[in-house]
Amino acid sequence: GAGVSQSPSNKVTEKGKDVELRCDPISGHTALYWYRQSLGQGLEFLIYFQGNSAPDKSGLPSDRFSAERTGGSVSTLTIQRTQQEDSAVYLCASSLVVIGDSDYEQYFGPGTRLTVT
Amino acid sequence: KQEVTQIPAALSVPEGENLVLNCSFTDSAIYNLQWFRQDPGKGLTSLLLIQSSQREQTSGRLNASLDKSSGRSTLYIAASQPGDSATYLCAVLYSGGGADGLTFGKGTHLIIQP
Repeated sequence: GAGVSQSPSNKVTEKGKDVELRCDPISGHTALYWYRQSLGQGLEFLIYFQGNSAPDKSGLPSDRFSAERTGGSVSTLTIQRTQQEDSAVYLCASSLVVIGDSDYEQYFGPGTRLTVT
Repeated sequence: KQEVTQIPAALSVPEGENLVLNCSFTDSAIYNLQWFRQDPGKGLTSLLLIQSSQREQTSGRLNASLDKSSGRSTLYIAASQPGDSATYLCAVLYSGGGADGLTFGKGTHLIIQP
């Protein structure tokens, strides 16, 4: 596609429910990133995929958060038992990673605004 | 741990002025630095990327410089226009090990008065 797409654009959920957020990267981009933007914290990095593998999951805020990527393309970020502090905009980005090249420009999607009531 | 700071946090100037936004980072071990703009309720638009071996990049009225050794970058906007009003974010990709995500500053909220 022309750019990174995310769905849904908005999600309102009740505390305690599970939610799934979807990211569709730019075609051919092997690297995919999830970030969270909240009023108090600014933009924070959550997790990175190279292909279908996530080398480091330490950026995920808690064990209620998980992410997967299949087929080297679409990724889902799942939040279980949502809490009010999970309310934020979740942004996805992708980049064309070339081994041995330092050009890792990231292109961002429009984000999913999650509100936990 | 890499930290990114942006100054000023907010800026309001009349249309037509040239202006400079500042970004500093604590660890010079970076692959690159990116400048983004974010419009209200929207995602991030990449403006310029400077690789660690470069000193500056230019795109139209925008010029970004990088001084890796001192941990500083500036974004210069020439002949500002009301359409430039947005939040400008600076981010670095840390090469010192660990996760491969960008570390962002908190942004400069820019208003260009018509």
